[in-house]
Amino acid sequence: AIQMTQSPSSLSASVGDRLSITCRASQGIRKDLGWYQQRPGRAPKLLIYAASRLQSGVPSRFSGSGSGTDFTLTINSLQPEDFATYYCLQDYNYPRTFGQGTKVEIK
Amino acid sequence: EVQLVESGGGLVQPGGSLRLSCAASGFTFSDYWMTWVRQAPGKGLEWVANIKEDGSDKFYVDSVRGRFTISRDNAENSVYLQMDSLRVEDTALYYCARDCNYRIIFDWYDAFDIWGQGTMVTVSS
Repeated sequence: AIQMTQSPSSLSASVGDRLSITCRASQGIRKDLGWYQQRPGRAPKLLIYAASRLQSGVPSRFSGSGSGTDFTLTINSLQPEDFATYYCLQDYNYPRTFGQGTKVEIK
Repeated sequence: EVQLVESGGGLVQPGGSLRLSCAASGFTFSDYWMTWVRQAPGKGLEWVANIKEDGSDKFYVDSVRGRFTISRDNAENSVYLQMDSLRVEDTALYYCARDCNYRIIFDWYDAFDIWGQGTMVTVSS
């Protein structure tokens, strides 16, 4: 199975900050990667698919980049509702595998 | 409104069985693959299984293969997860999700664009 490793596992940030979360695959996965946000007590929400495509309805402060093994989720001008846990997911092959998550907390 | 509603969770003893259901509404169910994802208490997300639009293809994570069976009924707009030989480590919140295919030029990509609220499964003696 492809291993997905996110970094950092957690971070503290302030409203208005710009932050980046990285996800590394144990083998090349082209651009077959999505990013999901999960707020406490809520179901996950799709933010980005195909590494860089913004899902409909998701604010443009979210962006994704990368291909092959290294990917980045960037949030520009962090908003209060963005404090959550973020997961990457590879859809290159089976089994689908998620990263371990990155928790974004308020500083 | 596009919606997925899971049901069927509960408390079961190790070795027992449970059948989860996920009812879809607001979209043409038979046009989409469907997926189950689980989350153990305080842990991350784990993909469990998915099923093709017509039910002809199914895939599982190794830890559940041979014990869990995914199925669907397109006439009922529902997807199911039959869970047998349950283990303590299967304790989790189980989500169903719509597996959407996105075409970009000549390539296809998957993503889980609609999620239910989850149903809790607790395996304990």
